[in-house]
Amino acid sequence: AQKITQTQPGMFVQEKEAVTLDCTYDTSDPSYGLFWYKQPSSGEMIFLIYQGSYDQQNATEGRYSLNFQKARKSANLVISASQLGDSAMYFCAMSQGRDDKIIFGKGTRLHILP
Amino acid sequence: NAGVTQTPKFRVLKTGQSMTLLCAQDMNHEYMYWYRQDPGMGLRLIHYSVGEGTTAKGEVPDGYNVSRLKKQNFLLGLESAAPSQTSVYFCASRLDSSYNEQFFGPGTRLTVL
Repeated sequence: AQKITQTQPGMFVQEKEAVTLDCTYDTSDPSYGLFWYKQPSSGEMIFLIYQGSYDQQNATEGRYSLNFQKARKSANLVISASQLGDSAMYFCAMSQGRDDKIIFGKGTRLHILP
Repeated sequence: NAGVTQTPKFRVLKTGQSMTLLCAQDMNHEYMYWYRQDPGMGLRLIHYSVGEGTTAKGEVPDGYNVSRLKKQNFLLGLESAAPSQTSVYFCASRLDSSYNEQFFGPGTRLTVL
């Protein structure tokens, strides 16, 4: 069965430090995709980054990178040089090839301290 | 482009009442999704659709029905609302399986008394 696990309910990080948000997944389908979304306090969902299961390199988008370790079934989000505006809820999500539904983890609330 | 819109933004229902939430997208997307968000539970998939006229169950479909009669619209129905259905409901759309990003609507806050 498809499953996403985010084990960190909350994190506090000093501004300008790098942040790693953990995400592990479980699927029996060899074809799947991994997503990260940001939800600020205003409530909207903002797409950050995507990694396909067959992608050879880790995805990067500006200050965001996805540390994809296929054998360990982990897809951690790394935010470099954190900013106060990074304070938000972060969700990891997964799609799998067979049915295209996208499921989410429970999220990690990130607090950036000045 | 309006993107993904949801109607209404807020609603209060009494137990047993029915209502329909409307999601509309103007991006010609094939895939549409309904999620509910509850504190500590993340987003849970209720139902989804991979094309006009098709629907499929997600993780928590009980108590909800959906319809996708037109490609641009995805309706979520509550036939007999229960307090357990108090939540924030998000609709999302995606071009198709080859496209990475889901576009989300602003959400609907539903309270069932």
